[in-house]
Amino acid sequence: KQEVTQIPAALSVPEGENLVLNCSFTDSAIYNLQWFRQDPGKGLTSLLLIQSSQREQTSGRLNASLDKSSGRSTLYIAASQPGDSATYLCAVRSVLSFQKLVFGTGTRLLVSP
Amino acid sequence: DVKVTQSSRYLVKRTGEKVFLECVQDMDHENMFWYRQDPGLGLRLIYFSYDVKMKEKGDIPEGYSVSREKKERFSLILESASTNQTSMYLCASMRQINQPQHFGDGTRLSIL
Repeated sequence: KQEVTQIPAALSVPEGENLVLNCSFTDSAIYNLQWFRQDPGKGLTSLLLIQSSQREQTSGRLNASLDKSSGRSTLYIAASQPGDSATYLCAVRSVLSFQKLVFGTGTRLLVSP
Repeated sequence: DVKVTQSSRYLVKRTGEKVFLECVQDMDHENMFWYRQDPGLGLRLIYFSYDVKMKEKGDIPEGYSVSREKKERFSLILESASTNQTSMYLCASMRQINQPQHFGDGTRLSIL
């Protein structure tokens, strides 16, 4: 059974800092991995999708990497801003249960001005 | 941009009521999903549908049913609402498994 872990559960940084959020998964047989952000009381916003054949994806100040063999993904946020404050979730689509996304419990990020 | 619209942001119902949560997507996606999200438990899949009139149970289907009569609309039904169904409910849609899944804004449901 696929399990997804995100560490740390919470992170607080000053504005302007570069930061890395971590995601690990137990079964490396995956189709893809997706990163989301969630603002309080809202739904999830898709940030990046990495296919199993890819090593990284970039969108603006965000860069997500994938090391499938070691069961790890990182989300790199450059020059953080207060507007980046949110909970970040990673989710994995496994080969064995490809219709389902398995979610981590998220990292709550606070960027202080 | 993909738009997934949930009919209500907040809903308050009483125990024993039949409750309908509606979700509509505008991108002709084949796949639609219903999740609930609770503190400490994360997102849990209730039901999903990969085509009109098709449905599959997720991880926690007990106490729920779904309906998908049209491709763009996926309804979640609480047959007889109970207080342990108080939660945030999130709908999502996706075209294919190699494409991103998109979520609505959620419905905060309280059962009194």
